[in-house]
Amino acid sequence: EVQLLESGGGLVQPGGSLRLSCAASGFTFSSYAMSWVRQAPGKGLEWVSDISNSGGSTKYADSVKGRFTISRDNSKNTLYLQMNSLRAEDTAIYYCAKDRIRPRGYGSFDYWGQGTLVTVSS
Amino acid sequence: QSALTQPASVSGSPGQSITISCTGTSSDVGGYNYVSWYQQHPGKAPKLMIYDVSNRPSGVSNRFSGSKSGNTASLTISGLQTEDEADYYCSSYTSSSTLYVFGTGTKVTVL
Repeated sequence: EVQLLESGGGLVQPGGSLRLSCAASGFTFSSYAMSWVRQAPGKGLEWVSDISNSGGSTKYADSVKGRFTISRDNSKNTLYLQMNSLRAEDTAIYYCAKDRIRPRGYGSFDYWGQGTLVTVSS
Repeated sequence: QSALTQPASVSGSPGQSITISCTGTSSDVGGYNYVSWYQQHPGKAPKLMIYDVSNRPSGVSNRFSGSKSGNTASLTISGLQTEDEADYYCSSYTSSSTLYVFGTGTKVTVL
């Protein structure tokens, strides 16, 4: 059974940093690209970042470029999102999501975690 | 990269069919057959309903179907059921500096 379990969310002050983790199981993690998608309270989904199966290629939404860094440790089956210079508008539930096919599903995510809430406030 | 445009809400009676539109540009929806649709119930993670414009993942009801014409993709739900009441989001691969873009979301209400 495929499982994605996010952790690391919490309350952080504006300008602060946070690192999210997503522990994957039930599939060959190193074969699939992965993404982070966020959802602000009461708002829609926003794609945040993608990383290739090897970790050699990364992409970011313009809203987080230069502040967030996606990475993965295939030996630990874990996806990360390092978030720096956090702003109030980064407040959201952050989901990790698995591409449907290997190595890349072109935006079709067949499994999602339960999400972790990040709140940026003083 | 702007979000894809969806109607804010669509409603229908049980048994009816409804269609949700998703309008983008030639750089995303119109340029690639990489449109997906997601269903999200309150407090839950999104669920993939359609991928690559018109394909259903295993386990998704055949009451859900997808199509595309030009820069607009559509999701049709036939034989509407109460459990279909949820938010629906389209997404597309994009040739812009980012990689993917989601739609603004549509709330489906079963009357």
